[in-house]
This record gives sequence, structure tokens and C-alpha cells, in this order.
Amino acid sequence: QVTLRESGPALVKPTQTLTLTCTFSGFSLSTSGMCVSWIRQPPGKALEWLALIDWADDKYYSTSLKTRLTISKDTSKNQVVLTMTNMDPVDTATYYCARVLGSRGEFDSWGQGTLVTVSS
Amino acid sequence: SYELTQPPSVSVSPGQTARITCSGDALPKQYAYWYQQKPGQAPVLVIYKDNERPSGISERFSGSRSGTTVTLTISGVQAEDEADYYCQSADSSGTYVFGTGTKVTVL
Repeated sequence: QVTLRESGPALVKPTQTLTLTCTFSGFSLSTSGMCVSWIRQPPGKALEWLALIDWADDKYYSTSLKTRLTISKDTSKNQVVLTMTNMDPVDTATYYCARVLGSRGEFDSWGQGTLVTVSS
Repeated sequence: SYELTQPPSVSVSPGQTARITCSGDALPKQYAYWYQQKPGQAPVLVIYKDNERPSGISERFSGSRSGTTVTLTISGVQAEDEADYYCQSADSSGTYVFGTGTKVTVL
């Protein structure tokens, strides 16, 4: 059974750096074809793809946010970490991590999401 | 990056058929995927690779494509199908995009 769980601060101040951790089980990120991605959803708005890391440690970022994002993995801990710098109130959203099957594949399993509010 | 455009809302009576379109210039070159999201819940994959249904997803859900448009069809709509639906695809550089989302209302 594949499970993913997001963790991190619920509240961050403007200009701070957000660090989120996705802890997963039921698969290994060292297995060919496995990827983990981050997606966010502002309240009442659409899903927005942020970043993806694959089994070979290749990393892909949203064009509009790439200067602020860093994704990394710790295969031994079954964790993927996303950092987002210079947080702004418009970054308030529920942040999800999801497993992605293969290059340009489907997001087949999702975490429950974690709400991050950016406010002073 | 490119965009995937969906109608904001679709309304359908129980037992009828709902069709949700998703348009994007890059769609002819990449597979499309569809997700259902109910309030307060994470999205759930309902269609992958244009028209494949994951295990456990009702046969009432199907996908199709024509040119730069893909369509999610929900046959025999039930009250439990009321949700937001998102299409998703990727481009050749390895970046992903989600559609603008469609709210399906069961009348």
C-alpha cells in the first residue's frame, strides 16, 4: 500500500523560506520509474504543479517558480523535501506531494495535503 | 509553459451524461490524465493515458481525445460524482501542467 504524508509549518512569515517534507511508504524512490512531485492549491483555486524529482535524481521545476524552489530526496529515509524561498501571502495554499509513475506519467497516489498560511 | 483550459462548470441531472473538455496546444503530443477532487480531500486519479481507468474506478468514467482537446465523460451520473475535475499533462521538457478545473454539479 502506497502512502504519502506532508509535514511542515502551518504558518510562515513573508520573506521566510518554507521547508516541506514528504514521507512516503510502499515504494522506493531508487526504483526505476518512480518519481515524487509537489503540487499546491490556494484556497478555492486550481491545482498548480511545482516540482518533481525522479529515481535518477533528475529534477524538474515549474517555469514560473523555478528560481524559488529546490527539491531533494533522501532515499534511505523515504523522504522528499521541497524548499520555497521568499514566501508571500499569495503562496498561501494546501501543499500536496504525490507519487508519479514514470517520466511524464500519472500522479497515482497523493498525500492528504498540508495547509500553509503566509502571514505576518 | 503551456495551459490547459477547462469549462468552469458543468451541470447534469442524475442518470444523464456529463462531458468535460480540456484544451491545450501540447495535448496532441502527450498523454492526458484526469483527477476527481471532492471538498476537503486530495485529488484522485480517475483516467490515465487518455482513456485508461485505474483499478477501483467506476466504468462510468471514460476518456477520449480529438486533436488538441481531450474529454472526460461520466455516464449515468450519480450524486457521488459531484466534485471538481482536473485534467493534467506534461510537455517534452518534463514539466507538468494541470487544467483550470471544472466543477460538476448534479442537479
